[in-house]
Amino acid sequence: GESVGLHLPTLSVQEGDNSIINCAYSNSASDYFIWYKQESGKGPQFIIDIRSNMDKRQGQRVTVLLNKTVKHLSLQIAATQPGDSAVYFCAENRGDTGRRALTFGSGTRLQVQP
Amino acid sequence: DTGVSQNPRHKITKRGQNVTFRCDPISEHNRLYWYRQTLGQGPEFLTYFQNEAQLEKSRLLSDRFSAERPKGSFSTLEIQRTEQGDSAMYLCASSLGGLGDIQYFGAGTRLSVL
Repeated sequence: GESVGLHLPTLSVQEGDNSIINCAYSNSASDYFIWYKQESGKGPQFIIDIRSNMDKRQGQRVTVLLNKTVKHLSLQIAATQPGDSAVYFCAENRGDTGRRALTFGSGTRLQVQP
Repeated sequence: DTGVSQNPRHKITKRGQNVTFRCDPISEHNRLYWYRQTLGQGPEFLTYFQNEAQLEKSRLLSDRFSAERPKGSFSTLEIQRTEQGDSAMYLCASSLGGLGDIQYFGAGTRLSVL
């Protein structure tokens, strides 16, 4: 299959370790944030989202942290598995104006070593 | 499969030709979005429909691009007089609306303009 993100920042972790993927966003007015996972040849897959009135949200094996002071978002993956290998994108939305467009970051490639 | 469906998956065309892509959203999702993604980049927003109304368009959507959603269900994206710079993955997403409006993506249509 084709490769998504040929020259992206890469995070390489060992299977079973925890992974932390970081994202800086630009718009201080953004109030909704989403993490997507994208495998080669596939569309982005929703992982977890968070609103600006929260600073932490947990899902199954994933946690998103939001620091509005420094406009920083992180995705933590616990006990990383080979199936987690993919490109991860953060996306933001400024929902207050009624705009629905998501603005995506540039992505991080996660490589899980068995 | 009840996810977002896009056809065709791949399209190869010669410069100057017109192409049309189709997107079938998740049933009952009243919002539909088109994005474009080039290698190494995150998706970029093109346009958004609420039912049959096109409510938001990006500056990326030049006069050669037109999108429709005539009955508020499936949507088409047409590119006229294709240029090599149009080569990209065209992604469609749909959402239900309301709070926590998660956009779910299809697998995309890969366009190659020769």
